[in-house]
Amino acid sequence: GESVGLHLPTLSVQEGDNSIINCAYSNSASDYFIWYKQESGKGPQFIIDIRSNMDKRQGQRVTVLLNKTVKHLSLQIAATQPGDSAVYFCAEKEYGNKLVFGAGTILRVKS
Amino acid sequence: KAGVTQTPRYLIKTRGQQVTLSCSPISGHRSVSWYQQTPGQGLQFLFEYFSETQRNKGNFPGRFSGRQFSNSRSEMNVSTLELGDSALYLCASSLSPGGVDEQYFGPGTRLTVT
Repeated sequence: GESVGLHLPTLSVQEGDNSIINCAYSNSASDYFIWYKQESGKGPQFIIDIRSNMDKRQGQRVTVLLNKTVKHLSLQIAATQPGDSAVYFCAEKEYGNKLVFGAGTILRVKS
Repeated sequence: KAGVTQTPRYLIKTRGQQVTLSCSPISGHRSVSWYQQTPGQGLQFLFEYFSETQRNKGNFPGRFSGRQFSNSRSEMNVSTLELGDSALYLCASSLSPGGVDEQYFGPGTRLTVT
């Protein structure tokens, strides 16, 4: 659904390690999913997307996995860097350009 | 090319007042969507405009309205402001509605209602 909690989950990782951020989506009919990164004071920035006819897609240092059976998405970031510190949101696309966002996960990278 | 611009960036209003926020999409983009972001509710869809027509609307009261001009610029208006309207209002533009066109977000307008 569209309701989210006040406190976002936080993932703390050491610089150079891999990060995995998880997301559950609600609509089994959704066929397009996107991961966004939001840094402080900025709007969400597109990272990577995936259509429902795929279960994996790779970008530069990022991989998105889609498990339609359990309605689960994950974002893997390889060799995490301090510049990756941000809030990460998954989103599913509904009618038109309407995006339904997940709650978000704070990623903190320790140097 | 220039990104999505939103004005003003920050705004302080009093309960009961009304406010108008502006969004200029990326050149050539004709679809504009608006979102409200709060710590409690996260990012929530307000509405979407394409070719000066509202195509889609989220679950917000009628106090929230918008419009789009022939040059694709969009405005949203909130009347009779309430404290709970304090939020970051984000605008996103894309080439067309639907499909898999990437949506580009602006930096947002931070509205504080006192």
